Amino acid sequence: QQQVKQSPQSLIVQKGGISIINCAYENTAFDYFPWYQQFPGKGPALLIAIRPDVSEKKEGRFTISFNKSAKQFSLHIMDSQPGDSATYFCAASLPGGANNLFFGTGTRLTVIP
Amino acid sequence: DSGVTQTPKHLITATGQRVTLRCSPRSGDLSVYWYQQSLDQGLQFLIQYYNGEERAKGNILERFSAQQFPDLHSELNLSSLELGDSALYFCASSANRGGDLYGYTFGSGTRLTVV
Repeated sequence: QQQVKQSPQSLIVQKGGISIINCAYENTAFDYFPWYQQFPGKGPALLIAIRPDVSEKKEGRFTISFNKSAKQFSLHIMDSQPGDSATYFCAASLPGGANNLFFGTGTRLTVIP
Repeated sequence: DSGVTQTPKHLITATGQRVTLRCSPRSGDLSVYWYQQSLDQGLQFLIQYYNGEERAKGNILERFSAQQFPDLHSELNLSSLELGDSALYFCASSANRGGDLYGYTFGSGTRLTVV
């Protein structure tokens, strides 16, 4: 049973476009929602994260939008660049930290020049 | 380089065999976490060790076991291997027992192929 559902599975975006990846969850006890970026041959790396008491968090070209009532959150990558091509994972954490971290199935993003 | 070292990078073995995956955490980190990444399941938490002791267990099969040694490196042992065990196995480390998510660093993984 997938605790965090992620879509789409893959995404192709033109350079300069906006990439949007969506995630949904059911467990209202989740209290932390990170996004990880993974390049081929590397482990996932924390990109940006949000807590449910805010609706949006922006770091550079990356923005998380959070809809608590709908139990959905999304990652927006503005002005997408070829260097952003990677697999992105959303995740959700229960209180207690990393040993209660549930990942989505990942989105492979390709940004074409 | 994330500071978390995993060996080997690739491993090919036959069904029924046993393998050991090794992880050296980032300097100063006391917690080690093991994850399995397969195509259809995403990242699945297997087990966590903190300073040599098992701290939390996730979806780890009974055929799998792990330990953390006094020098803090960890080994994940997979036995009676099946084709379905083929996956990427990641190790992550953090400084804190409960997991400081901003200090939660993954290694580059071991790709296991069971044939």
